[in-house]
Amino acid sequence: DVVLTQTPVAQPVTLGDQASISCRSSQSLVHSNGNTYLEWYLQKPGQSPQLLIYKVSNRFSGVPDRFIGSGSGSDFTLKISRVEPEDLGVYYCFQATHDPWTFGGGTKLELK
Amino acid sequence: QVQLQQSGAELVKPGSSVKLSCKASGYTFTDYAMKWVKQRTGQGLEWIGVIDPEIDATAYNEKFKGKATLTADTSSNTAYMELSRLTSEDSAVYYCTSMGYWGQGVMVTVSS
Repeated sequence: DVVLTQTPVAQPVTLGDQASISCRSSQSLVHSNGNTYLEWYLQKPGQSPQLLIYKVSNRFSGVPDRFIGSGSGSDFTLKISRVEPEDLGVYYCFQATHDPWTFGGGTKLELK
Repeated sequence: QVQLQQSGAELVKPGSSVKLSCKASGYTFTDYAMKWVKQRTGQGLEWIGVIDPEIDATAYNEKFKGKATLTADTSSNTAYMELSRLTSEDSAVYYCTSMGYWGQGVMVTVSS
C-alpha cells in the first residue's frame, strides 16, 4: 500500500503566520493517465473533513486563495498564508492514484 | 446545493450487521462516484471503498472486503454501506463523500 507521511505531526502557529505541511508518498502518485490524484482535507474539531485541494494544486469551490497546494511525483506541500482562526484543525493528504487509496496520518494546526 | 444526508447513530451487538444510508441531493447522483471513509475516535481516516452508481461498479480496500458491502439506489439517490460480523474494531464514525462533499458522518457503536 502507498504510505503517505505527513510532517510535522503538529504545527503550532500564530494567527497571521504562514504554515506549511509536507506530504511524502512511498511511491510516485502520477497515474498512468498522467494525472496526479493528491488531495488535501481539513477536519475541524467535531466536523466532517472538507476538501481543500484536489489534483495537487486545484482549490475546491469556495476555498480561499490563501490555501496553496504544490508538488509533484511523491513530494507535496500545502501552504496556508496568513492563518486565520477557522483554519485550525487536522489536515490530511489523500491519494487516489494507487489501490488502495490512502490517507496521510494527519497534521494538527494549532495555536502557539 | 450539494448535500449528503446520512442516517442516524447505531448501537449494535457484536456479530450483527448494520446498513448505513447516505442520501444525495443537489447534483446528478449517477454522475459521481460515492466513497466511504472510516474514522475511529481520535484516529485518522481510512478509505473503505467506492461505488459508481451509474454502472453499479465497486472497488474496495482489501482490508474491508468481506466487512463492507456498497450498494446504490438510483431511484432514491441513496448510497448504502452494509457492515457485517461487527466487532468492537468496527466502532467508528463512517462518512460518505462524493464530488468533494461529505456527509455529516454516522457513529456506529458495537457493544453487547
